[in-house]
Amino acid sequence: GAVVSQHPSRVICKSGTSVKIECRSLDFQATTMFWYRQFPKKSLMLMATSNEGSKATYEQGVEKDKFLINHASLTLSTLTVTSAHPEDSSFYICSARQTRAPYEQYFGPGTRLTVT
Amino acid sequence: AQKITQTQPGMFVQEKEAVTLDCTYDTSDPSYGLFWYKQPSSGEMIFLIYQGSYDQQNATEGRYSLNFQKARKSANLVISASQLGDSAMYFCAMSSISSGSARQLTFGSGTQLTVLP
Repeated sequence: GAVVSQHPSRVICKSGTSVKIECRSLDFQATTMFWYRQFPKKSLMLMATSNEGSKATYEQGVEKDKFLINHASLTLSTLTVTSAHPEDSSFYICSARQTRAPYEQYFGPGTRLTVT
Repeated sequence: AQKITQTQPGMFVQEKEAVTLDCTYDTSDPSYGLFWYKQPSSGEMIFLIYQGSYDQQNATEGRYSLNFQKARKSANLVISASQLGDSAMYFCAMSSISSGSARQLTFGSGTQLTVLP
């Protein structure tokens, strides 16, 4: 299957700082990428849909000024958690969607964010 | 709106036995896709199998098969000849495949499968 990388895999930051997470599709172009958040032993919650060359579409309840998403190219989307707080600590996963049927999503390995 | 229901929070199976993980769904979309993903403790999401709503035959991928019953709105995953490495969280998901849809996935709550030696 297609490969999606995510960087960093783990990050610890202090409250009030910002953290950037990168999501790259390594062997295919992805006009659409998705960002999910996952709490321990829970399901994935879609945060936003990232479209190359346009503004991201955020799910209800997700603050767009807190979670900045930039889809700069067909292979890169970034999520920046601004002014992080301990409640932002979570597992963040990105996925990149194939542009042809069956449009399956390939997921990155995830980023474990801990805000102290 | 789409909804995925996985009613089994945890399942146990003996090694080499088959196991069925349940998934039911609800959607108003005429065209949709159903997916199963595996998430081991490392956290990565691994795509297992896909079934389109208009596919006539049930999908199969190696030891994985999808028991698709459209009238019952169910898409159960069957794993044959379970292996210890199959122990993981399994998520059922669906997306609209209607024209113009962003095709974002809606996930179920997951089933934690444990394979016993």
